[in-house]
Amino acid sequence: DTEVTQTPKHLVMGMTNKKSLKCEQHMGHRAMYWYKQKAKKPPELMFVYSYEKLSINESVPSRFSPECPNSSLLNLHLHALQPEDSALYLCASTAGGWTEAFFGQGTRLTVV
Amino acid sequence: GNSVTQMEGPVTLSEEAFLTINCTYTATGYPSLFWYVQYPGEGLQLLLKATKADDKGSNKGFEATYRKETTSFHLEKGSVQVSDSAVYFCALSDRGSSNTGKLIFGQGTTLQVKP
Repeated sequence: DTEVTQTPKHLVMGMTNKKSLKCEQHMGHRAMYWYKQKAKKPPELMFVYSYEKLSINESVPSRFSPECPNSSLLNLHLHALQPEDSALYLCASTAGGWTEAFFGQGTRLTVV
Repeated sequence: GNSVTQMEGPVTLSEEAFLTINCTYTATGYPSLFWYVQYPGEGLQLLLKATKADDKGSNKGFEATYRKETTSFHLEKGSVQVSDSAVYFCALSDRGSSNTGKLIFGQGTTLQVKP
């Protein structure tokens, strides 16, 4: 199984809402990532978790809050987002620092 | 710092034409190199990879060779199909000191194949 599963696939939220994105993998990978992708651009790294600990935060605003409850799950909690935060949010996982990343299908987020 | 440069798109080809998408990189250490493909409305799928110099990655008729002397990893396919229409990203993962698995992406090249 080389699948990374993300839910929901689509999300529309108001600027005062709180929502969460979820990501799950069962490949035994110990590194998990959140990327943000705007239209016609490459993905931009937001957070890296290694062995369930946050190892990289790419200066992401605090309205995005990641959480790694266990080695298979990764959440991204959203609060007080802005319309410019509308994007495709991609989760990925790897077995090690130089191996290939497996991506989920993404969550298409629209902030209204 | 590390970077990846891809040829500007979009690339428009007729079905069965030969495809080349150029990719060059700058990196410290010994990066692994990847091509990812993104179909409309979907996430990224790994197309092929190479982990050391002179390695050739191949999948679904696509090929790319890791050329350390020219710091390149060009993507090729001998005969494209309409179903190959997508955005292609070249990427590297630095095996150096950080070892976080962070991917550095090129800007992406949109391929459109016409029947």
